Amino acid sequence: EVQLVASGGGLVQPGGSLRLSCAGSGFTFSSHWMHWVRQAPGKGLVWVSRINNDGSITGYADSVKGRFTVSRDNAKNTLYLQVNSLRVEDTGVYYCVRERPGAGNNMDFWGKGTTVTVSS
Amino acid sequence: DIVLTQSPLSLPVTPGEPASISCRSSQSLLYSNGYNYLDWFLQRPGQSPQLLIYLGSNRASGVPDRFSGSASGTDFTLHISRVEAEDVGVYYCMQALQIPFTFGPGTTVDIK
Repeated sequence: EVQLVASGGGLVQPGGSLRLSCAGSGFTFSSHWMHWVRQAPGKGLVWVSRINNDGSITGYADSVKGRFTVSRDNAKNTLYLQVNSLRVEDTGVYYCVRERPGAGNNMDFWGKGTTVTVSS
Repeated sequence: DIVLTQSPLSLPVTPGEPASISCRSSQSLLYSNGYNYLDWFLQRPGQSPQLLIYLGSNRASGVPDRFSGSASGTDFTLHISRVEAEDVGVYYCMQALQIPFTFGPGTTVDIK
């Protein structure tokens, strides 16, 4: 069974940092590009970041560029998102998402998410 | 950035009846391989999103065949042939052609 289990969220003050993790299982983690997508309370989905299967290519939304860093450890089947200089508007559920190999860049499996709350 | 607009934003449905949701892109999503890089997701209440349709018209694994997708230029449509109670939730379209990937605002489907 495919699983993506995100962790590392919590309550943090503005300007603070967190490291989000996402453990994958039930599939060949190193074969898949991965994404982070977030959702503010009661709002829609917003793409945050993407990383290729070996970690050499990354991409970010403009709103997080320079503050967030995506990485992965294929030996541990784990995806990371280092989030720094947090703002109130970064509050939300952060989903770890698998990309289907092949044409289309499709996000074919979503984990349950970890919640980040930025508040003083 | 590519902007996606959805209509309607709210859709009350009757079980057993058909339903459709539109998604319009601010630019072509047609890649050089001939595919439209437009996907549809459903987020049921309290759950993570799930992929329904990819590349405009391909059903994802395990998705019932009452769901289908179509495309005409920059206009995309998600069709539900006969709505069931389990289909309630928020439907999002998303473009995967270029970074940043962008989502539509979502269409909330609920039972009349």
